[in-house]
Amino acid sequence: ELKVEQNPLFLSMQEGKNYTIYCNYSTTSDRLYWYRQDPGKSLESLFVLLSNGAVKQEGRLMASLDTKARLSTLHITAAVHDLSATYFCAVDTVSGAGSYQLTFGKGTKLSVIP
Amino acid sequence: DTGVSQNPRHKITKRGQNVTFRCDPISEHNRLYWYRQTLGQGPEFLTYFQNEAQLEKSRLLSDRFSAERPKGSFSTLEIQRTEQGDSAMYLCASSPHRGRGTEAFFGQGTRLTVV
Repeated sequence: ELKVEQNPLFLSMQEGKNYTIYCNYSTTSDRLYWYRQDPGKSLESLFVLLSNGAVKQEGRLMASLDTKARLSTLHITAAVHDLSATYFCAVDTVSGAGSYQLTFGKGTKLSVIP
Repeated sequence: DTGVSQNPRHKITKRGQNVTFRCDPISEHNRLYWYRQTLGQGPEFLTYFQNEAQLEKSRLLSDRFSAERPKGSFSTLEIQRTEQGDSAMYLCASSPHRGRGTEAFFGQGTRLTVV
């Protein structure tokens, strides 16, 4: 069974600081996604990482994928309050029956404080 | 708005009642997924449709749960004889049929409370 582990699960950081969220997964996959979720809201797609070594950046967020290490990171640069949310990584797998599914981590709840 | 649409947004029901949720995917998206999310957890896969065919059901989907996608368009998720443990956010997502590596777009979800 595929396991997706994120750490930390809770992160409180000061504005202006940098930090990295880690996502480890237990099976071979070269498709990984990062989503953001605000309280009571649905999931917003942030990054799609489709190959080993992929790096994507958007504003203060940068995501990378190392398929050999089965590890993805989400790096936050100079955090601002608007980044406060829960961030999920999800691994894409396909079954023998041709079914696609995303397996999510438990999420990292980020709070950016002044 | 051309995103994934879910109705209702909120549903409160008494234990033992049946409930049905609807999902309208993004137009021309062949793939449709249902997920369940409980407080403090990541979404858990429930079922997957490719067009009108239901290709996989999670073991989380007990006999009380049924999902359909007639004609490969909208989808419904029905829960019969609801239990308090069914209280959760039910999320629908869709993606185009372009092989793997295509991001799924999520709807706003239906929050179910069983009292």
